[in-house]
Amino acid sequence: GAGVSQSPSNKVTEKGKDVELRCDPISGHTALYWYRQRLGQGLEFLIYFQGNSAPDKSGLPSDRFSAERTGESVSTLTIQRTQQEDSAVYLCASNLARVGEAFFGQGTRLTVV
Amino acid sequence: AQSVSQHNHHVILSEAASLELGCNYSYGGTVNLFWYVQYPGQHLQLLLKYFSGDPLVKGIKGFEAEFIKSKFSFNLRKPSVQWSDTAEYFCAVNTNAGKSTFGDGTTLTVKP
Repeated sequence: GAGVSQSPSNKVTEKGKDVELRCDPISGHTALYWYRQRLGQGLEFLIYFQGNSAPDKSGLPSDRFSAERTGESVSTLTIQRTQQEDSAVYLCASNLARVGEAFFGQGTRLTVV
Repeated sequence: AQSVSQHNHHVILSEAASLELGCNYSYGGTVNLFWYVQYPGQHLQLLLKYFSGDPLVKGIKGFEAEFIKSKFSFNLRKPSVQWSDTAEYFCAVNTNAGKSTFGDGTTLTVKP
């Protein structure tokens, strides 16, 4: 597709369940980011993938959070044993590194009940 | 590590007022600078960008930003805001290492 695609757009899950969020970046974009945006707050960096380099995981809030990316394609963000404080919109963005303009998906709104 | 600081968390203006949103970054090398906007219920999208050349850059909808290297700043301006400018605004920096860093965002509310 022409843009960054995220699925699902909405996810309601019970506390303690695992969830998996998907991001399809723009074809050819070497860099991919995951951010979390809580209601009324800014962007919280989670993880950054750049080509085949080791990902920058410095923003992951706990070991319940993990992400994978296969080459320069799809990425999945997994949250294990979800907690209510995980409720937020999870945004994915991709760009051509060293150019830097980021293109964002529409986000996945996660609600933990 | 690079960082971006947006000093104003929430700005409230009346229509036709002038706008300036502050953005400072910390990084000693070459940077590309961006402002993004998120209208209510919409994606984050690019407002304007600076790579090189004229430090005063113009973006969509009458916005402009000035890169002042000595102050590590990239402030966003608009001479006369409209109600439709109500949104959240994010400043971002991208370095030659390739990683983008975003500020915490500024919420702009324009009263009609």
